[in-house]
Amino acid sequence: GQNIDQPTEMTATEGAIVQINCTYQTSGFNGLFWYQQHAGEAPTFLSYNVLDGLEEKGRFSSFLSRSKGYSYLLLKELQMKDSASYLCAVPNSGNTPLVFGKGTRLSVIA
Amino acid sequence: DSGVTQTPKHLITATGQRVTLRCSPRSGDLSVYWYQQSLDQGLQFLIQYYNGEERAKGNILERFSAQQFPDLHSELNLSSLELGDSALYFCASSPQTGGLDTQYFGPGTRLTVL
Repeated sequence: GQNIDQPTEMTATEGAIVQINCTYQTSGFNGLFWYQQHAGEAPTFLSYNVLDGLEEKGRFSSFLSRSKGYSYLLLKELQMKDSASYLCAVPNSGNTPLVFGKGTRLSVIA
Repeated sequence: DSGVTQTPKHLITATGQRVTLRCSPRSGDLSVYWYQQSLDQGLQFLIQYYNGEERAKGNILERFSAQQFPDLHSELNLSSLELGDSALYFCASSPQTGGLDTQYFGPGTRLTVL
């Protein structure tokens, strides 16, 4: 099965850069997803990594190291609207198609 | 807007009752997934349907059931409701099936059981 670990909460300043880490243990690896979820709203897809390295998409980048079972989401030029939970998810070889971490709640402060 | 729709947006009911939540996937998507998210809990996978057939089952209670219809919309039925069933229920859809498929989430139904 999958084991996913993320920090519970983080705080960062508007305009700064923040890195949200995710470690996972999986019996078979097919990729890693990042989702953003504002309080009370639906998770929205941010990125998908299947190969090692950094994938950049505007202010958001996601990095993957398959050998280390490690990923991070990098948010640059933080804005107040980036305050949300960030969920890391990996496909599962078992009954659950996608297993989500509990999420990291990011607060952006002025 | 993900293209996934869910109704109703809010639902308030009493213990012991039965409710039905409805989901319409994005156009062309064959898979529908149901998730439960309680306060301070992560997304808990309940069940997946692919092209009308049950594909994967998570920690779904026996009091809960789901189906996917020929037009690919799906319904989640929750019966003998308990206080602990109060949660956000999300539906997601994806084009095919399998863990590599990106899932797109609907806005959710907030269920409150009193």
